[in-house]
Amino acid sequence: AQSVTQPDIHITVSEGASLELRCNYSYGATPYLFWYVQSPGQGLQLLLKYFSGDTLVQGIKGFEAEFKRSQSSFNLRKPSVHWSDAAEYFCAVGGYSTLTFGKGTMLLVSP
Amino acid sequence: NAGVTQTPKFQVLKTGQSMTLQCAQDMNHEYMSWYRQDPGMGLRLIHYSVGAGITDQGEVPNGYNVSRSTTEDFPLRLLSAAPSQTSVYFCASSYGGARTEAFFGQGTRLTVV
Repeated sequence: AQSVTQPDIHITVSEGASLELRCNYSYGATPYLFWYVQSPGQGLQLLLKYFSGDTLVQGIKGFEAEFKRSQSSFNLRKPSVHWSDAAEYFCAVGGYSTLTFGKGTMLLVSP
Repeated sequence: NAGVTQTPKFQVLKTGQSMTLQCAQDMNHEYMSWYRQDPGMGLRLIHYSVGAGITDQGEVPNGYNVSRSTTEDFPLRLLSAAPSQTSVYFCASSYGGARTEAFFGQGTRLTVV
């Protein structure tokens, strides 16, 4: 069975500082990996995705993620966080017929 | 362009009542799904459909029914609401199944008292 672990429930980052959100997955074949963002009271929006090829993928809003097969990880990064990045972030793995989400990481941005 | 539309946005039910959460998409996506979101639990899959006439259970299907008579619509039915079904419900669609980008509705916040 596929699964996703996001070890950090909350993370607080100062505005302008760098960000890394951790994600570990479990899947028996080549994983299809996603990061979604959810602003308060909204649905989820795709930030980026990895299917194959270059292990460093670029997304919207200046986010990037690196796929590391040896560590079963797909960590999300941003070099400089803006106050508008405060939201909940979800990592997900797409299997043959279902998409499985982690429990999410809430990002708080301090002035 | 509407994308995925969910109605209603908010609903309060009494225990034992039934209701249908509506979901419609205008992107001609074959794959549609329903999730529930609870604090600290992330999104959990309730039911999904790979096309009209085809549905299957997800991780937490008990207490919910679905049908898919058209490509556009994928309603979620609560037959006898329970307080444990208090949650935020999201409908999503994608063109290529679980391995392609999912487009989400704005959610339905359901409270069962």
